[in-house]
Amino acid sequence: GAVVSQHPSWVICKSGTSVKIECRSLDFQATTMFWYRQFPKQSLMLMATSNEGSKATYEQGVEKDKFLINHASLTLSTLTVTSAHPEDSSFYICSARDLAWDRDLSSYEQYFGPGTRLTVT
Amino acid sequence: AQSVAQPEDQVNVAEGNPLTVKCTYSVSGNPYLFWYVQYPNRGLQFLLKYITGDNLVKGSYGFEAEFNKSQTSFHLKKPSALVSDSALYFCAVREKDGNNRKLIWGLGTSLAVNP
Repeated sequence: GAVVSQHPSWVICKSGTSVKIECRSLDFQATTMFWYRQFPKQSLMLMATSNEGSKATYEQGVEKDKFLINHASLTLSTLTVTSAHPEDSSFYICSARDLAWDRDLSSYEQYFGPGTRLTVT
Repeated sequence: AQSVAQPEDQVNVAEGNPLTVKCTYSVSGNPYLFWYVQYPNRGLQFLLKYITGDNLVKGSYGFEAEFNKSQTSFHLKKPSALVSDSALYFCAVREKDGNNRKLIWGLGTSLAVNP
């Protein structure tokens, strides 16, 4: 089946530093990837939609200069949290849509990565 | 505006009993509907989806859901719950038409199956 990986699975960093999280689709190509943030016992909050070869579309209230997204290939999107602060500590999850499904709009699902736990001290 | 409601924060059920996790939605057009499950400190796993056709959809791990257009609901069900079903369940919706590729998520329902 479709597999999405994230690296690292967890990271601890000091306040003021930057952290890069990778999201890869392992056995399919994805023109669109999504980045979510999840707080404990809360729902997913969509941060941005990442499109291969173009700029990401950020949700209202998400700082694009703080959360840099790059989708350089059909299998890789990265989220960089710049100048991280303790309030950025969270569980970050990416998901990807199979390019094959993009061509068939009658069927649609997202495949999720296992998530990355970020702790900023 | 699109929205999804999961009216119960928590559902408790005894092992072997049937379970239901409720979901209602609001979209302007026809919906795509999804259920995902999240185990602790894990990403989400796809359970099932309704796109078109039969209103009763069968998915992974013995789960099923029924699309009810008149009640705008898509409740998740399982005839006999297992302790291993204990997890966080999310309902999501997307409009079938239009270019908006985003899923709208419910707040999640924590399912606890007691032995």
